[in-house]
Amino acid sequence: AQKITQTQPGMFVQEKEAVTLDCTYDTSDPSYGLFWYKQPSSGEMIFLIYQGSYDQQNATEGRYSLNFQKARKSANLVISASQLGDSAMYFCAMREGRDDKIIFGKGTRLHILP
Amino acid sequence: NAGVTQTPKFQVLKTGQSMTLQCAQDMNHEYMSWYRQDPGMGLRLIHYSVGAGITDQGEVPNGYNVSRSTTEDFPLRLLSAAPSQTSVYFCASSSVPGPRHTFGSGTRLTVV
Repeated sequence: AQKITQTQPGMFVQEKEAVTLDCTYDTSDPSYGLFWYKQPSSGEMIFLIYQGSYDQQNATEGRYSLNFQKARKSANLVISASQLGDSAMYFCAMREGRDDKIIFGKGTRLHILP
Repeated sequence: NAGVTQTPKFQVLKTGQSMTLQCAQDMNHEYMSWYRQDPGMGLRLIHYSVGAGITDQGEVPNGYNVSRSTTEDFPLRLLSAAPSQTSVYFCASSSVPGPRHTFGSGTRLTVV
C-alpha cells in the first residue's frame, strides 16, 4: 500500500490565486514528520515546509502553509497568491519513527497561468 | 560552498558495466541517502545511512551497493548496470533527525 498518496497528477491555476495540493499518508507510528519539496524544471529539490506529528499548530513558511489534519491523515500544501515561478513539480514526503528515511509521493505538477 | 556534491552530473554506461556515483557533503550531517527518480514514480529510496559504518536498504535496493566509511562520503555502486537502472539519482543529507534534507543536484544515468 502506498504510504504517501498525491491524487492530483497535474493542476492548472491562474496567477495570484491560492493553490491547494493534496497529500494523504498512511502510518501506524505515532511519531512522524511530513514534508513538501518543490522541483522546478532545473531538477533541483527545494525544501518548502515541515510538519511534525506532535506539532500543535499548522506549519507556515512565507506563502506556504501546511493544512495538517491528523485524524484524516491529510497534509495538504497551500500556496497563497500563486506566482509564475511556482510552476514546478511538488512532492509530499513522510518520515516515520527515528530512522529518518523519507518516503515520497509521486508528485503533482503545478502550472501557473498568466 | 556548503552542500551536497554529486559527481558525475551525466553518465552513459553499457549494459554490464560497473560504476560508482559519488556523493559528498561538508555539513557534518549524520544521515545520508540515495534516491532514484523515474517519470511518474516520484523519488524512491535506494539505500540510506545514519552514520559512518551504518547503512540500510530502502525501497529499491536491488542492483546497488553502498558503504559509509566517513561522515562526508556516501558512494553508490552499480556492479553490473542494466537498462532498468536508467534514471536520475539524487543524494541527500540531513542532521538526524532533522526535518530539512539537503539534496545534491542529481546524476542523470543512461544505461544502453
